Parts: sequence; C-alpha cells; structure tokens
Amino acid sequence: KAGVTQTPRYLIKTRGQQVTLSCSPISGHRSVSWYQQTPGQGLQFLFEYFSETQRNKGNFPGRFSGRQFSNSRSEMNVSTLELGDSALYLCASSGQVNTEAFFGQGTRLTVV
Amino acid sequence: GIQVEQSPPDLILQEGANSTLRCNFSDSVNNLQWFHQNPWGQLINLFYIPSGTKQNGRLSATTVATERYSLLYISSSQTTDSGVYFCAVEVAGFQKLVFGTGTRLLVSP
Repeated sequence: KAGVTQTPRYLIKTRGQQVTLSCSPISGHRSVSWYQQTPGQGLQFLFEYFSETQRNKGNFPGRFSGRQFSNSRSEMNVSTLELGDSALYLCASSGQVNTEAFFGQGTRLTVV
Repeated sequence: GIQVEQSPPDLILQEGANSTLRCNFSDSVNNLQWFHQNPWGQLINLFYIPSGTKQNGRLSATTVATERYSLLYISSSQTTDSGVYFCAVEVAGFQKLVFGTGTRLLVSP
C-alpha cells in the first residue's frame, strides 16, 4: 500500500510569489491535515480536510489556504510569500476519526 | 489549548544504553502517537497508543491516560536511533495533532 505522497519535495520561491503544495493520502483515507515545521515554532497545525470539507483551521493568516478534491488529494496554497514562510510543510492522512495519522516526506519551502 | 511537554529536550547516549523519554499533556486526549523524525524530515510512526502498553522490538511505550503522561522506552540503543522524537496528541472533536517540542537523541558509537 503506497504511503502519503507530497510533491514537490523541495521548492525555492521569491518573496511575494505564491506556491501550491500537493498531498496524496493513503488509499482509502479521507482525512488530510497539513502542518508547518520551523526551528522557532516547532510543528504547528495548519488545517484539516475530510471529504472535501475543512473541519479545523489553525492560527495562520489568510494567505494560507487549502482544499481537498473528491479523490481525497489535497493542496495547500500560500500567497504573497514572506521570508518567514520558509519551513518544512508536512501532510498527514488518516482513515476515520481518532485513528492513527501517517505523514508524507514533506515539502521543504525556501523563500528568498 | 492543550499543552504537550516532552523531556528531556536533549539526550546523549552511548550505543547499547537504555533511555526513557517522557510526554506530559494537560488535558484528556483520545489519540497519542510517538514519531521519530529522520534526518530528511519525515515523521516515522512508532506507536499509536492512547492508553496501555505496546512493544515493537527494542522500543516500547506506555500511556497512562488518567495521569496524562506517556513514556517511550528505547533499549540497547543504536546509532540509527539518533534523531528527534515527537509525542503528539489529539483532543476529542478537534481533528488535529498537537505536538510536543521533541527530544533530540544522539547515540554515539
């Protein structure tokens, strides 16, 4: 069974640009969550989608958005990039409520 | 919101030594997971353990939900055990994991 797949693995963007990251969950999983990891703030929750509906959102500015498609694949978008958005972005998938979450390899975003 | 504290923050061991990592949380949880983050950043699942005890090879974990803590035991450590270990919890109804700040483990040969 394939794991969680995130693309791209690495990305370099310029301040002010926008970026889209993709996450394909484990087959059959309907919940996808996104997390940001930085040295200063640790691992922080961005948002969670289940069956195309956002059920929970973390404390991030509106520049961070996401969506989920009918096949459960998810994308997150960051507009008007800032230097502080440089981070490792991790995606997790899980089956139902209160079940084990599995993470992808992450996308390392560098904003210059 | 819920607070998750891990201790110790850093740990240096000689190969072959045993260690115990601790995770304290401030509220009732319905999900607790232990992860090992590899040098490339991926979070590797170690245990899904909202309560009770589990073992997997040299690793074992115990969660005492009523006292709001979990322990991860590493026996006969190897250099490949080096990395950062995270505890993450989920509170009922919130559909998100809250992570501790991690324990950075270095196992020297």
